[in-house]
Amino acid sequence: KNQVEQSPQSLIILEGKNCTLQCNYTVSPFSNLRWYKQDTGRGPVSLTIMTFSENTKSNGRYTATLDADTKQSSLHITASQLSDSASYICVVSAETGFQKLVFGTGTRLLVSP
Amino acid sequence: GAVVSQHPSRVICKSGTSVKIECRSLDFQATTMFWYRQFPKKSLMLMATSNEGSKATYEQGVEKDKFLINHASLTLSTLTVTSAHPEDSSFYICSARDRGHNQPQHFGDGTRLSIL
Repeated sequence: KNQVEQSPQSLIILEGKNCTLQCNYTVSPFSNLRWYKQDTGRGPVSLTIMTFSENTKSNGRYTATLDADTKQSSLHITASQLSDSASYICVVSAETGFQKLVFGTGTRLLVSP
Repeated sequence: GAVVSQHPSRVICKSGTSVKIECRSLDFQATTMFWYRQFPKKSLMLMATSNEGSKATYEQGVEKDKFLINHASLTLSTLTVTSAHPEDSSFYICSARDRGHNQPQHFGDGTRLSIL
């Protein structure tokens, strides 16, 4: 069964600190993995997308890693800001005709002042 | 700027009313759009895949007659919740994907539907 699991479920950190979110997946055949940020009451916004051959990708203060052998990914947030408070969703795409997406349940991050 | 526009952002209506939600791709042509439903503190759940010029493909457990999808053009898909009831209250999100391999799905900002 295709699944994406994320940890932790929720996280509280102080402004300025770093944090790392985890994603484990069992999706086959694998096409790509994306991290999305979803603010409350808004749609998800893409942060990074990685294919099988990519190990790391950065987008500003966000750095995603991918280990295709262990089927794990992480999202590292550096020097967190209050605006980073959101849900972060790991989404894995299965290589089908329409590249069906498998969503993780997300990690709710709260950055406190 | 937003590449997928979803309208309306919020709807409050009486039970029995039919509600139409629009999803437009602004900067690209989308042969395929997706409709999701999201419950509080849960992840997105795919309801159906909307294909331009053909019938939508619904996920298991999603009532086709309840959630009518029309994808009449390459930039517009609509979801109509027919005879809505309180249990249909939810956050509905659409997405569209540009052509080309490994293009990300761009999501709309969602529609908060509240049925009284």
